[in-house]
Amino acid sequence: EDQVTQSPEALRLQEGESSSLNCSYTVSGLRGLFWYRQDPGKGPEFLFTLYSAGEEKEKERLKATLTKKESFLHITAPKPEDSATYLCAVQAMDSNYQLIWGAGTKLIIKP
Amino acid sequence: DVKVTQSSRYLVKRTGEKVFLECVQDMDHENMFWYRQDPGLGLRLIYFSYDVKMKEKGDIPEGYSVSREKKERFSLILESASTNQTSMYLCASSVGSLINYGYTFGSGTRLTVV
Repeated sequence: EDQVTQSPEALRLQEGESSSLNCSYTVSGLRGLFWYRQDPGKGPEFLFTLYSAGEEKEKERLKATLTKKESFLHITAPKPEDSATYLCAVQAMDSNYQLIWGAGTKLIIKP
Repeated sequence: DVKVTQSSRYLVKRTGEKVFLECVQDMDHENMFWYRQDPGLGLRLIYFSYDVKMKEKGDIPEGYSVSREKKERFSLILESASTNQTSMYLCASSVGSLINYGYTFGSGTRLTVV
């Protein structure tokens, strides 16, 4: 069964304390892996798409990496405004439209 | 700026009412989706549509129906609202079958059924 698992469920960091969020996936052929950011009371906002093992994407303090079994979202020197829930989703090779979603990691950055 | 607009941010309805949630996108996207999001359960797909008048059931279609008469508009209908349908409802759209740029989500409708 196709599955996406995110860890940890929640992460509290001090401002400037770098860390990583994990997204493990089991899918019959990966078409793409997606990271989203969701602020409270809002819809998720697209961050990155990764397609193949070894690929990396960066945006400001965020860097996403991909292996054959998992993806990491690295946060370097985070600021309080990086606090949000980060969602991971995968598209299987045999799916044209649907994404399989993880439950998310709630990130809290304390000043 | 591209947008997915959901008609209501907050909605309170009574048990048994028929409820309509509207979603409009201005990006000419082929695909549109309705999700619900509940704490601890994540995003669950209710229905999606890959073309006008076309619809497919998602993971939890029971108690819901959808309508897509125009490309830009996708409506979710709760035939007879129940308290277990209290949730955050998210509409999303995407282009084609290669979701290079992911989904674009609306801001959500928080529905409370009393």
